[in-house]
Amino acid sequence: GAGVSQTPSNKVTEKGKYVELRCDPISGHTALYWYRQSLGQGPEFLIYFQGTGAADDSGLPNDRFFAVRPEGSVSTLKIQRTERGDSAVYLCASSLRQGVMNEQFFGPGTRLTVL
Amino acid sequence: KQEVTQIPAALSVPEGENLVLNCSFTDSAIYNLQWFRQDPGKGLTSLLLIQSSQREQTSGRLNASLDKSSGRSTLYIAASQPGDSATYLCVPTEDTNAGKSTFGDGTTLTVKP
Repeated sequence: GAGVSQTPSNKVTEKGKYVELRCDPISGHTALYWYRQSLGQGPEFLIYFQGTGAADDSGLPNDRFFAVRPEGSVSTLKIQRTERGDSAVYLCASSLRQGVMNEQFFGPGTRLTVL
Repeated sequence: KQEVTQIPAALSVPEGENLVLNCSFTDSAIYNLQWFRQDPGKGLTSLLLIQSSQREQTSGRLNASLDKSSGRSTLYIAASQPGDSATYLCVPTEDTNAGKSTFGDGTTLTVKP
C-alpha cells in the first residue's frame, strides 16, 4: 500500500480485556510513532521507534501499555487490563528516518472503545 | 516539556475570506514544525513542513510562517472554501535524537458557503 495502514479500524472491548492494535508503516520508513487522541484534543505522544528499538517510550501512560516492532516494520501496540479511560483513537505515523526531513505520515487510526 | 497553544480554538468565516491561524510553543529548540489537517473521524493529512532554518513555506493557498526564537507559527489560508472546513493542528518536533512531536489541540475551522 501507499500509505500507513492500521487495523482494526474499530475495536470494542470490555473492561479488563487485552487488546492489540496493529500499524503497517510506509515501506522503507524507519521511524514509527504511536499517538492517542481523545475527543476534542490533539494527539498525545505515546512511543517512538527507530528501527526495531523504542527510542522514546516516555508517553506510555502506565505499564499496561506496551509496543513492539520486532522486524523494524509492522508495530503492535498492546494494552492489558483495559480501562474505560483507555477509550480513544490510537494513531500511528511513520517517517523516512528520524531527524532529516522528519515529515510524519499518519494512518487513519483505530478507534478503541472500552465498555 | 513542550506546550503548544493554538488560537482561536474555533473559527467560522464566510467563503472567500483570508484567515490566519496562530500557534505558539514554549520550547524553541525544535527541528521542524508541521501543520496538519484533520477531518472528522479521519486521520491527519500533512499540509506544510517548515525546517527550523526556514521562515516560511507555501503550498497553493496555504502559507505557513515560523519564528522559532519567539516560539510562534502562523498558517495563512487565502480565499477560503467550504472544503477547507477541518481542524488544523500545529506540531513542533523537538531537536533531540528522539525527535518527539507535540500536538496542539487544534483550531476547528468552518467555512460557510
